[in-house]
Amino acid sequence: SQTIHQWPATLVQPVGSPLSLECTVEGTSNPNLYWYRQAAGRGLQLLFYSVGIGQISSEVPQNLSASRPQDRQFILSSKKLLLSDSGFYLCAWARGRLKSGANVLTFGAGSRLTVL
Amino acid sequence: AQSVTQLGSHVSVSEGALVLLRCNYSSSVPPYLFWYVQYPNQGLQLLLKYTSAATLVKGINGFEAEFKKSETSFHLTKPSAHMSDAAEYFCAVRFTTSGTYKYIFGTGTRLKVLA
Repeated sequence: SQTIHQWPATLVQPVGSPLSLECTVEGTSNPNLYWYRQAAGRGLQLLFYSVGIGQISSEVPQNLSASRPQDRQFILSSKKLLLSDSGFYLCAWARGRLKSGANVLTFGAGSRLTVL
Repeated sequence: AQSVTQLGSHVSVSEGALVLLRCNYSSSVPPYLFWYVQYPNQGLQLLLKYTSAATLVKGINGFEAEFKKSETSFHLTKPSAHMSDAAEYFCAVRFTTSGTYKYIFGTGTRLKVLA
């Protein structure tokens, strides 16, 4: 069976410090990978998605970047955090091949980032 | 452009009462629609999915949703609310772009169940 792991679960960082959130998927190959941010009262905002190693699509201009150094690894980074980067970050995966029927999105447990 | 709108950011029901959470979608092609549930400080868990096979979709924990094309709706219902149903619920639409899938979520509805 497939599993998705995110870490760290909780992070408190000062403004201007760097960030690295990591996500890995087990039990599948060539997954599509996604980073979402959840801010209070704003639902889930798609930040980045990736269909393969080194292939990153950005949805919104922002202070964050993403990388996919390995097939099942997805990293969310920032060089200098802003207060507005605080939120709950969720990694998710879905099967890479387009198929008929519902290819569902499966989420990790999330990483809560507080920038002070 | 594809999108979903959830009416009501907060819904309160009494235990044992009907749960109705509203979702309307906008899509230029037949949509794939989903409902997810989120408990505090956790990731999202799939409740059910619509894939065009049947308009009435049954999910986990007694939830179901009906796809109504004429109303562009995919409302989530449960006949009798339980205290454990208190959570945040998200409607989502999936569409294809550049050879892959993107999933767009609504802003969520927080369900409160009153004893």
